[in-house]
Amino acid sequence: DAGVIQSPRHEVTEMGQEVTLRCKPISGHNSLFWYRQTMMRGLELLIYFNNNVPIDDSGMPEDRFSAKMPNASFSTLKIQPSEPRDSAVYFCASSRSGTGGAYEQYFGPGTRLTVT
Amino acid sequence: AQSVAQPEDQVNVAEGNPLTVKCTYSVSGNPYLFWYVQYPNRGLQFLLKYITGDNLVKGSYGFEAEFNKSQTSFHLKKPSALVSDSALYFCAVILGDTGRRALTFGSGTRLQVQP
Repeated sequence: DAGVIQSPRHEVTEMGQEVTLRCKPISGHNSLFWYRQTMMRGLELLIYFNNNVPIDDSGMPEDRFSAKMPNASFSTLKIQPSEPRDSAVYFCASSRSGTGGAYEQYFGPGTRLTVT
Repeated sequence: AQSVAQPEDQVNVAEGNPLTVKCTYSVSGNPYLFWYVQYPNRGLQFLLKYITGDNLVKGSYGFEAEFNKSQTSFHLKKPSALVSDSALYFCAVILGDTGRRALTFGSGTRLQVQP
């Protein structure tokens, strides 16, 4: 299995630009999570989907952030417009939930976003 | 609300010695507990979990952890540390009584194993 795939691995952009991060979960996993990691705040949940439906988006910082999961094998996290304080490593993770679900999440390699 | 505390920012241990990385949790129900490891510039790797059953759980790379309900702890242990174990370790919790499946992470503990 290829694991969780994220792209791009690194993104450098200027303040005000739109940024789109992409994630392909592990095949057969029905839950997908977006986390953000910073030195100041550690690892924090942004949003998660179950069976392609957003379940909890309480961690999305503000309206500049949006996430979609159009199908079971693809999700995007978009920031528009980006700001320097959005600089962080963004992780996507997936898991198998529901009856017999294993609960542990498998993480992608992350996208390191730098907004100048 | 649920939370996880990792009281030590860094743990130093000599290679070959036993290691312990501490974790305590606070949830108003049954916790599902996890340990993850993060190497530099990498994503988090799952090490082990406690859902139910035996309080001592064994995981990858020789790590184990003991669930202690009375002390609300889930410390990570290894009998003999390797230099290659040096990394950042995260404890995480899910409240098992709800359908919510997002992890709440501790602040992380950096493990440094000296040769």
